[in-house]
Amino acid sequence: ETGVTQTPRHLVMGMTNKKSLKCEQHLGHNAMYWYKQSAKKPLELMFVYSLEERVENNSVPSRFSPECPNSSHLFLHLHTLQPEDSALYLCASSQEFGEQFFGPGTRLTVL
Amino acid sequence: AQSVSQHNHHVILSEAASLELGCNYSYGGTVNLFWYVQYPGQHLQLLLKYFSGDPLVKGIKGFEAEFIKSKFSFNLRKPSVQWSDTAEYFCAVNGWGTSGTYKYIFGTGTRLKVLA
Repeated sequence: ETGVTQTPRHLVMGMTNKKSLKCEQHLGHNAMYWYKQSAKKPLELMFVYSLEERVENNSVPSRFSPECPNSSHLFLHLHTLQPEDSALYLCASSQEFGEQFFGPGTRLTVL
Repeated sequence: AQSVSQHNHHVILSEAASLELGCNYSYGGTVNLFWYVQYPGQHLQLLLKYFSGDPLVKGIKGFEAEFIKSKFSFNLRKPSVQWSDTAEYFCAVNGWGTSGTYKYIFGTGTRLKVLA
């Protein structure tokens, strides 16, 4: 498979659940990103990893926990989310903070 | 504060009309500039980018953008749009700010609808 893949594509969870989003990039890039895309809001950068180390955390609540075990994989662990966390979560990768390649996203609904 | 502003949220054009989408940014450091496009049902993808050099950059599908440093602008243009250009367009800025933090900031997007 090529490009950036994300699983699952759709996720419905209750506020007490724990779930994880997975992202995999097949492009040999060394940086990966999590974004939140909500209706009528700009894309919000949540986390940046470069060479598997977290470079940026834009004041994201602790109920979102990222993990980057290697340069090809990125996870977003979710715990006790709120309904306002419902959104499209996008993963992207790049080489040296350049042009980003995006995955299809995970549509998350928190009940 | 660092930000990217896209002034047009919705644009409706007829085929063959000319397009210009505005983008202004506020950023305290060296920047790279991007336009991304999201066609219906597809991933976000890069349309064009500016890192340095000629401020007029050309991208895919006949799009171009001009970086005007004095105006902090990076407007997107296409002389003649097609129905297939119907999509949402995002301007973005990235770079290392003066505080040493890395930022990648997107605008709110412009939805373009081209009427056949």
